[in-house]
Amino acid sequence: NAGVTQTPKFRILKIGQSMTLQCTQDMNHNYMYWYRQDPGMGLKLIYYSVGAGITDKGEVPNGYNVSRSTTEDFPLRLELAAPSQTSVYFCASSSLGGLRTEAFFGQGTRLTVV
Amino acid sequence: QKEVEQDPGPLSVPEGAIVSLNCTYSNSAFQYFMWYRQYSRKGPELLMYTYSSGNKEDGRFTAQVDKSSKYISLFIRDSQPSDSATYLCAIRPGGDKLVFGAGTILRVKS
Repeated sequence: NAGVTQTPKFRILKIGQSMTLQCTQDMNHNYMYWYRQDPGMGLKLIYYSVGAGITDKGEVPNGYNVSRSTTEDFPLRLELAAPSQTSVYFCASSSLGGLRTEAFFGQGTRLTVV
Repeated sequence: QKEVEQDPGPLSVPEGAIVSLNCTYSNSAFQYFMWYRQYSRKGPELLMYTYSSGNKEDGRFTAQVDKSSKYISLFIRDSQPSDSATYLCAIRPGGDKLVFGAGTILRVKS
């Protein structure tokens, strides 16, 4: 019963490097989300997707890119890492976008950019 | 104006205390509100949701909405050290996005 799986759990990047945060879910959910969480700032939505081939920007999309080629996977790409991208990143999924639909979260990826 | 705002705390209470956690929201059209709980170094999990009128109770937890003042609250009775976590209120403004408040860090001391 895997749910939402994120890899890696931890990563240290140097300024200017690139990386992809992986997210996969096995619940056949249409909706997927990427958030970043900074201390005292809650969860800020980076990008979301309502189905394969469809993505949309959230509150803080600059410096990130996403793709959704399959229902299961929703990778987040950082092209030129900056210290401001040091954060904990969470991927989530939900079956629908309905008002009461529960979102399930992964365990997070802790990223440090030095 | 942010769609939902929450005081990040932290809030420290003794075991057995009644805890009140609060959020305000911007749009009176919002109807469904959710509370997520996040333990340290874990992802958030849905605790409960409530509709825009009245209270909803689940064990020691009560979610309340005051539509006139656009204020939502989560009450925890007989708080336990295991309740120590970050509590986040959340809304779905248009059904697709899921927007969170800043989260309130709660510590229950034994």
